[in-house]
Amino acid sequence: DTAVSQTPKYLVTQMGNDKSIKCEQNLGHDTMYWYKQDSKKFLKIMFSYNNKELIINETVPNRFSPKSPDKAHLNLHINSLELGDSAVYFCASSQGLAGDTQYFGPGTRLTVL
Amino acid sequence: QKEVEQDPGPLSVPEGAIVSLNCTYSNSAFQYFMWYRQYSRKGPELLMYTYSSGNKEDGRFTAQVDKSSKYISLFIRDSQPSDSATYLCALIPIAGGGADGLTFGKGTHLIIQP
Repeated sequence: DTAVSQTPKYLVTQMGNDKSIKCEQNLGHDTMYWYKQDSKKFLKIMFSYNNKELIINETVPNRFSPKSPDKAHLNLHINSLELGDSAVYFCASSQGLAGDTQYFGPGTRLTVL
Repeated sequence: QKEVEQDPGPLSVPEGAIVSLNCTYSNSAFQYFMWYRQYSRKGPELLMYTYSSGNKEDGRFTAQVDKSSKYISLFIRDSQPSDSATYLCALIPIAGGGADGLTFGKGTHLIIQP
């Protein structure tokens, strides 16, 4: 069983569209995260979510919004997609807060045309 | 100055060599130190985790942390072609109560030549 799964694996879309990426973890973890890896392979935290507390990286545009229907899921919604949003998006989860090991999903490669 | 500095490489060494990968950081609030390995088109996977200065060994891998110098290292002994990947250092501060994401270095692309 995959511990952290994401769908879709690849997403190609036009500028201006709205899209969602889904993430599920079956580890029973309390905290989930979204990271963005740009074309230069630099991984950067976007959001973390724990017990309904959302921590947002201040550099993330408000076109990005995470939604958590339950503890096992943290989906990423992106409105009005821009060319610069093209990247690989990784979901991760950890048992608790700082210091706990984070487990990453396989990534979603988003291409905005 | 970036929070975490890591040479992106590529670093190419022959099979069997000892590999040394390094990161420096500027924020003394970082207290947890990790090394992740990322194969092409895959998610990062945790290799080593430490929260104190000194060495930690796991098989062919040794993680070293020097908090006084703000310098962390990963050594790979008897390197294998299957070790070819990007190695990312990741740091996390002591939490103030919230969930903290990892602060990653840019990753070093390692190539082990057969």
